[in-house]
Parts: sequence; structure tokens; C-alpha cells
Amino acid sequence: SYELTQPPSMSVSPGQTASITCLGDKLGDKYVFWYQQKAGQSPVVIIYEDSKRPSGIPERFSGANSGNTATLTISGTQAMDEADYYCQAWDINTVVFGGGTKLTVL
Amino acid sequence: EVQLVESGGGLVKPGGSLRLSCAASGFTFSSYRMNWVRQAPGKGLEWVSSISSTSSYIYYADSVKGRFTISRDNAKNSLYLQMSSLRAEDTAVYYCAKDLGTGTYFDYWGQGTLVTVSS
Repeated sequence: SYELTQPPSMSVSPGQTASITCLGDKLGDKYVFWYQQKAGQSPVVIIYEDSKRPSGIPERFSGANSGNTATLTISGTQAMDEADYYCQAWDINTVVFGGGTKLTVL
Repeated sequence: EVQLVESGGGLVKPGGSLRLSCAASGFTFSSYRMNWVRQAPGKGLEWVSSISSTSSYIYYADSVKGRFTISRDNAKNSLYLQMSSLRAEDTAVYYCAKDLGTGTYFDYWGQGTLVTVSS
């Protein structure tokens, strides 16, 4: 079965750039979606189709996908961005999530 | 406003059964594929199952295949998950989620319902 691998955790200082990776075999051939989940809340999509932002998502969130790696970049990270982030892709008719990355802003 | 409200969670013994429901409103339920996604305590998201708008196409994660059954009633704007032969590892918050079609993303999620499998 298809797998997506993310680093379990990372930390960033306020105002700095955070880059969260998602690894998968030939991932660049698929669309990748990114979700943000804050403590006690349901996930929210923040990037779709590799690099598009839904309405209402701040411009500091961006995405890229090439080769075996998709990357979520948060520029000028704010304290409110502290959350778990999940990448997602499709494997034919099933959905695959990465294991999630806990982002700490300190 | 789109709303997805799950219900039916609770404590069940290993080997037992439980039926989850998701009441949908604020969109044309019969036009969209629906899903169940779960999250074990302190763990990541795991897709469980999906059902097409007319119930013609149904898919399951290998971890639940043969034990869980997804269904929907478009007349009642409701999604269901019948869970049987439950195991401790099925303990999780179960989310109902709407997507925009195969190959797209989950644009709306419910608040989740907790299922605990324990003796």
C-alpha cells in the first residue's frame, strides 16, 4: 500500500519560515493536500492540488510538490500556526494520510 | 452553512458492534461522496471508508475491510458506519467528512464522535 512519510515534529521561532516535508514514491505524479489540525479541533484544508490555497487561508501558507517530496511552507510563522499538519494523497480509489507533523512555535 | 454532526459513539466491548451516524445539512447531500476518517488518541488521521453519491462505489481501508460497512440514506441526508468485530485498535474519534469527488480533498468535517473499545 502507498505510504506518506512526515517528520513527527519540528519547531520554529515566530517570524521564521517552517518547511514540512511529505515523502512518497513518485509523489510528484499525484496531487497533494495539506490539512491543519489545532488541538481539540477537526482538520481544515490549507493547501489543495499541491499549491492552491482555499479562500480564507493566509498567503503565508504555500505548497510545492515534485519528485518524491511535497513541501508545506509557512512563511513568517505566527503563534497561531502551532498545530498538527497532515499531507494527503490518493492511491487509486483510497485516501492516504501522512503520519502528521506537530509544529511548535517557540 | 454546511454542517456534519456525528453521533453514536460510546464504550463497547471487544468483539462488539456499534453504528455511527452523520447528519448532514447545508448542501445537496445526494450529490457528494462521503467518508469516514478516524483518529486514535494522540495519533494521526486514518481514512476508513468512502461511499459515492449514489452508493454505487464503496471503498474501505484494509484495516476495517470485512468488519465495517458504510451506507447512506440520501432521503434523510445521513451517512452511517456499521462497525462489528470491534478491536481495541479501533478506539478513535470518528469523523464524517465530505469531499469534492475522487482525487480531491475533504472540504468539510464533522466534530467527531469517540468510540472506545475496551473490556
